[in-house]
Amino acid sequence: KAGVTQTPRYLIKTRGQQVTLSCSPISGHRSVSWYQQTPGQGLQFLFEYFSETQRNKGNFPGRFSGRQFSNSRSEMNVSTLELGDSALYLCARSLGGGAAYEQYFGPGTRLTVT
Amino acid sequence: AQSVTQLGSHVSVSEGALVLLRCNYSSSVPPYLFWYVQYPNQGLQLLLKYTSAATLVKGINGFEAEFKKSETSFHLTKPSAHMSDAAEYFCAVTSKRGGSEKLVFGKGTKLTVNP
Repeated sequence: KAGVTQTPRYLIKTRGQQVTLSCSPISGHRSVSWYQQTPGQGLQFLFEYFSETQRNKGNFPGRFSGRQFSNSRSEMNVSTLELGDSALYLCARSLGGGAAYEQYFGPGTRLTVT
Repeated sequence: AQSVTQLGSHVSVSEGALVLLRCNYSSSVPPYLFWYVQYPNQGLQLLLKYTSAATLVKGINGFEAEFKKSETSFHLTKPSAHMSDAAEYFCAVTSKRGGSEKLVFGKGTKLTVNP
């Protein structure tokens, strides 16, 4: 229903490792946004990509990066993982025509850092 | 900068009672406002949105919200709660300007429905 596929759904990594998460929106949706959800900080915006370009970025350290491919699929990478990076990472798709267009969220990737 | 405040991190109602979840926003430009619902171990599902058309917005599952500019509020209501409404609800704001679609979320309100 959401039209967003996120892989993997669950991931366990060790502190210091890096991780790559994937997000695939349905065809025609060129905007992909990433959010981090934690019990303490709630939902926080990471970045948004539109037509392979980063259009906006949240207040996260440079260890968090992303990219988008020509088919609108997006990847998010976190290097040198810290315990505090444990979170649910949500990806949202949108038509990309502006803020009035609703964002549809995928089920998320649950990352646990040990 | 934009922000959202959701009053009450937990709300408990009886089945069949009115649901009222409060959201106040802060925005220096005309806002777009959204309500999302999240069930356990799932992503966010859009309930409804306000984009400067009608101030009373009807959404899915019998929910509605009213935009009140003078009160900077966008409270979510449902006349009669159902057990299946138990979930966490998030209010979010964004704006027309800039072309970007960054959503700023409130901290969420967890709704419990008692039989």
